[in-house]
Amino acid sequence: SAVISQKPSRDICQRGTSLTIQCQVDSQVTMMFWYRQQPGQSLTLIATANQGSEATYESGFVIDKFPISRPNLTFSTLTVSNMSPEDSSIYLCSVVPGYGFEAFFGQGTRLTVV
Amino acid sequence: KNQVEQSPQSLIILEGKNCTLQCNYTVSPFSNLRWYKQDTGRGPVSLTIMTFSENTKSNGRYTATLDADTKQSSLHITASQLSDSASYICVVSFMFSGGYNKLIFGAGTRLAVHP
Repeated sequence: SAVISQKPSRDICQRGTSLTIQCQVDSQVTMMFWYRQQPGQSLTLIATANQGSEATYESGFVIDKFPISRPNLTFSTLTVSNMSPEDSSIYLCSVVPGYGFEAFFGQGTRLTVV
Repeated sequence: KNQVEQSPQSLIILEGKNCTLQCNYTVSPFSNLRWYKQDTGRGPVSLTIMTFSENTKSNGRYTATLDADTKQSSLHITASQLSDSASYICVVSFMFSGGYNKLIFGAGTRLAVHP
């Protein structure tokens, strides 16, 4: 299993500013995933973060808007840049410790942009 | 297109009653199917995970079934409790390039258990 600490748990931000979300895992994992969950919607994958390489972004998400860092095997950050109200959402990080293992999720960051 | 559809969208039941949630998927190639429970303001927590060869799996009062031929799954909750009020998400994974599983999420069923 894996225990994930994600922070902040929530924030209210002004439009045009940026917010960095941190995700700390209690064990080393190769791949970490960042998701967005808009109100009443399913989780949508933003990007996959591998340690030591550039993150891989899904269609509709770009590095300039959602830069990701993965400095080591237990930590990652997601920045939401130049925020607008449309970025108001829950952002979650996730890890899959091994092949066929279940995915574990952080508690999420509830972001409100005003 | 890889998709996961869940029904109903929302459900209200009385405490102590049973209920069944449905999940249909068109994900290929199929790797495994998972059911998650997501409390409001929390991240999803795994309930069950089933591979192609498994038809049923239980976790306490939760029992999941899988029919890989019809690409359908169900989650049955027995003797519901107020704490079962949450969103239940069906997630299907497939093998992506690079050898890791990519997850496709359903929109979830929002369950409310009333006293």
